[in-house]
Amino acid sequence: DAMVIQNPRYQVTQFGKPVTLSCSQTLNHNVMYWYQQKSSQAPKLLFHYYDKDFNNEADTPDNFQSRRPNTSFCFLDIRSPGLGDAAMYLCATSAAAGGLTEAFFGQGTRLTVV
Amino acid sequence: GENVEQHPSTLSVQEGDSAVIKCTYSDSASNYFPWYKQELGKRPQLIIDIRSNVGEKKDQRIAVTLNKTAKHFSLHITETQPEDSAVYFCAARPRQGGGGADGLTFGKGTHLIIQP
Repeated sequence: DAMVIQNPRYQVTQFGKPVTLSCSQTLNHNVMYWYQQKSSQAPKLLFHYYDKDFNNEADTPDNFQSRRPNTSFCFLDIRSPGLGDAAMYLCATSAAAGGLTEAFFGQGTRLTVV
Repeated sequence: GENVEQHPSTLSVQEGDSAVIKCTYSDSASNYFPWYKQELGKRPQLIIDIRSNVGEKKDQRIAVTLNKTAKHFSLHITETQPEDSAVYFCAARPRQGGGGADGLTFGKGTHLIIQP
């Protein structure tokens, strides 16, 4: 059974048109992460939530925002997508037990910007 | 912040031979080092991990070694099989005082090709 679920799997959006990607989890983990993975590159951390506390990476553009309305759900909002934002967006969760626990990844949402 | 270097970027080995992928990290406070396997178009999946209080860990054909002094860790796959072909990422997570929630810093990945 899927434990970290991302919807949709594929998203096409227009240049400059706001888009929201969603992630849900059945693991009841404290921490939810969003990573951006461009073609043939490593996943790059954008930000994470530890419970309700939002933690932004220093180099994450302001164009990217996130919301976590409850433990199970987390959203990635891209306010004005550019062509350079086309990528796979991966959501992950972990139990945050002193940093020594596995991160579980969702299947990802592949974003295309036209 | 943490910086993880991974080598080689591409590795081709004959089926049945061993494969070794190496990573170095910069932050001496890092205490968790997972390895992920990612097949084309799929999610990264954890294959093995090691914590900083352990020097070596083995799970069937897969082993990981950690040298904290030198700040490097390696993945060893023995008796390679065609289904081992994928991209492998190493990662590191710095130790945190507030519960350890910081995200992983990934290496750039190694494309492992198993030649039949």
